[in-house]
Amino acid sequence: DIQMTQSPSAMSASVGDRVTITCRASQGISNYLAWFQQKPGKVPKRLIYGASSLQSGVPSRFSGSGSGTEFTLTISSLQPEDFATYYCLQHNSYPRTFGQGTKVEIK
Amino acid sequence: EVQLVESGGGLVQPGGSLRLSCAASGFTFSRFAMSWVRQAPGKGLEWVSAISGSGGTTYYADSVKGRFTISRDNSKNTLYLQMHSLRAEDTAVYYCANLYISSSQAFDYWGQGTLVTVSS
Repeated sequence: DIQMTQSPSAMSASVGDRVTITCRASQGISNYLAWFQQKPGKVPKRLIYGASSLQSGVPSRFSGSGSGTEFTLTISSLQPEDFATYYCLQHNSYPRTFGQGTKVEIK
Repeated sequence: EVQLVESGGGLVQPGGSLRLSCAASGFTFSRFAMSWVRQAPGKGLEWVSAISGSGGTTYYADSVKGRFTISRDNSKNTLYLQMHSLRAEDTAVYYCANLYISSSQAFDYWGQGTLVTVSS
């Protein structure tokens, strides 16, 4: 099975900051990587799929990049509504696997 | 409007069984693979299982393989997760989800989740 390792597990940032979260796959997954956002008490919401394709309706300040085993999610200018936990998910093969999550908190 | 409504969660003793249901509406259910994703209290997301649109192909996480069975009834627009030999570590909110991705379209729909608590 493919293991997904996210870093950092938590971070503090201020409104307007540029934020980068990394996800590493234990083996190559081409570009089959998605990013989800989850706010407390809410269901997850997919932001990015195919490593860099923005889901419809997601603000353009979110972007994804990477291929193979190294991927990043970037928030270009953090907004108050972006404080949440972010998860990567490989959709290259079954079983699908999530990263352990990155909690983005207010500094 | 797309709706996914889970039911069947509750308190069960270790070693017990439970069947979760997910009633779908607002889309052509039989066209799409469906997934179960769970989240233990205060923990991260864990992918559990998926099933093809026809129901002919199923996939499982190693943590549930041999204990859980995913199925669907396309005539009833309903997804199921039969859970046996439940353990304390299966305690979680279980979400059903449609996580569709194609070359031309992508969307994700989630239910609100149903809580399964495994405890004596």
